[in-house]
Amino acid sequence: QQQVKQSPQSLIVQKGGISIINCAYENTAFDYFPWYQQFPGKGPALLIAIRPDVSEKKEGRFTISFNKSAKQFSLHIMDSQPGDSATYFCAARNQAGTALIFGKGTTLSVSS
Amino acid sequence: GAVVSQHPSRVICKSGTSVKIECRSLDFQATTMFWYRQFPKQSLMLMATSNEGSKATYEQGVEKDKFLINHASLTLSTLTVTSAHPEDSSFYICSARLWTANEQFFGPGTRLTVL
Repeated sequence: QQQVKQSPQSLIVQKGGISIINCAYENTAFDYFPWYQQFPGKGPALLIAIRPDVSEKKEGRFTISFNKSAKQFSLHIMDSQPGDSATYFCAARNQAGTALIFGKGTTLSVSS
Repeated sequence: GAVVSQHPSRVICKSGTSVKIECRSLDFQATTMFWYRQFPKQSLMLMATSNEGSKATYEQGVEKDKFLINHASLTLSTLTVTSAHPEDSSFYICSARLWTANEQFFGPGTRLTVL
């Protein structure tokens, strides 16, 4: 019940295309859902995050869609660029102060 | 803002020695810091949660006597890998949470190689 399931494991997208990564959870007590971007040999960087009282949040080319009833959330990267090639992790947390629970990650490759 | 640093970025040591990794929140006070380890092409695995001024809470399967965590101030937490062995070789990442917010910010990581 503490898991966050992430798919796909890897993704190849053409430059300018839309990258979509999906995550699902079981624990309805989760109240914070961030996405992180990680480049090889670096720490994860917070991209965008959402609370369950909002169905969508957009920041630049990055959008989170959140479906509370389905217990799913997804990251959309519009106009994908080669510089977006990285590993993306979704995460969830069940109360303020506790650690994040991470999905297994998605390796995105944007081909030019 | 919200910068977390780690030192060193890379360390190579001999089997049996101890290694200390520092995690600092540079521009904010972090009441809670977290330590993760990450194996190649895998997700982050939480090792322990560290609250300033109190003992760390370790995840199941993580040896507290092997991975010593100290969180002596609101801006500094340290992880000491004692009597390191080759299987401890990994990428260790800390994160810090703004006590008034949800956001959790990660350090750049420390690559530990034990020979």
